[in-house]
Amino acid sequence: AQSVTQLDSQVPVFEEAPVELRCNYSSSVSVYLFWYVQYPNQGLQLLLKYLSGSTLVKGINGFEAEFNKSQTSFHLRKPSVHISDTAEYFCAVIMYSGGGADGLTFGKGTHLIIQP
Amino acid sequence: DTGVSQDPRHKITKRGQNVTFRCDPISEHNRLYWYRQTLGQGPEFLTYFQNEAQLEKSRLLSDRFSAERPKGSFSTLEIQHTEQGDSAMYLCASSLLAGAGANVLTFGAGSRLTVL
Repeated sequence: AQSVTQLDSQVPVFEEAPVELRCNYSSSVSVYLFWYVQYPNQGLQLLLKYLSGSTLVKGINGFEAEFNKSQTSFHLRKPSVHISDTAEYFCAVIMYSGGGADGLTFGKGTHLIIQP
Repeated sequence: DTGVSQDPRHKITKRGQNVTFRCDPISEHNRLYWYRQTLGQGPEFLTYFQNEAQLEKSRLLSDRFSAERPKGSFSTLEIQHTEQGDSAMYLCASSLLAGAGANVLTFGAGSRLTVL
């Protein structure tokens, strides 16, 4: 079975400071990895994804994440945050089956709070 | 294309009533997923369709929950005899059938259910 752990439920950061949101996963097979963002009263929006290739992936809004297979991690980073980045961030994994039979498995989310 | 549409956005009902949610996926997407999200948690996979076939339904929460996609386009999620514990956000997502997009889900804004 696959699972996703987001260690921090809340991360407060000052505006223009860097941020890292942590994500670890467990799976017995290869995985695809995703980060989604959810703004208040909105649906989930894809930030970035790792399917194959380069382990450093860049997404929208200046975010990037690095896939580390040995540490089973996929941490999300941004060098300088803005007030508009305040949102809930979800890490998600799907098993490398090609069939998507179980859909995405999500972590519990990390609430990024940007302080002025 | 306007993305994934869900209706209604918010439903308030009394315990014991039946409710139905509708999801219209992106038109070229063959796969359609239903998730439930409760407060402070990540989305939880419920079921998914490939065209009109429901390929996974063992994760539906109880036999009070059912989903259909009769013509392979829109889908409905019905909850019979609602309970207060059913209060949650119900999210719909869709994806392509094959290729790199097969594992990239696009989410709707969700339907929030409040059971009194």
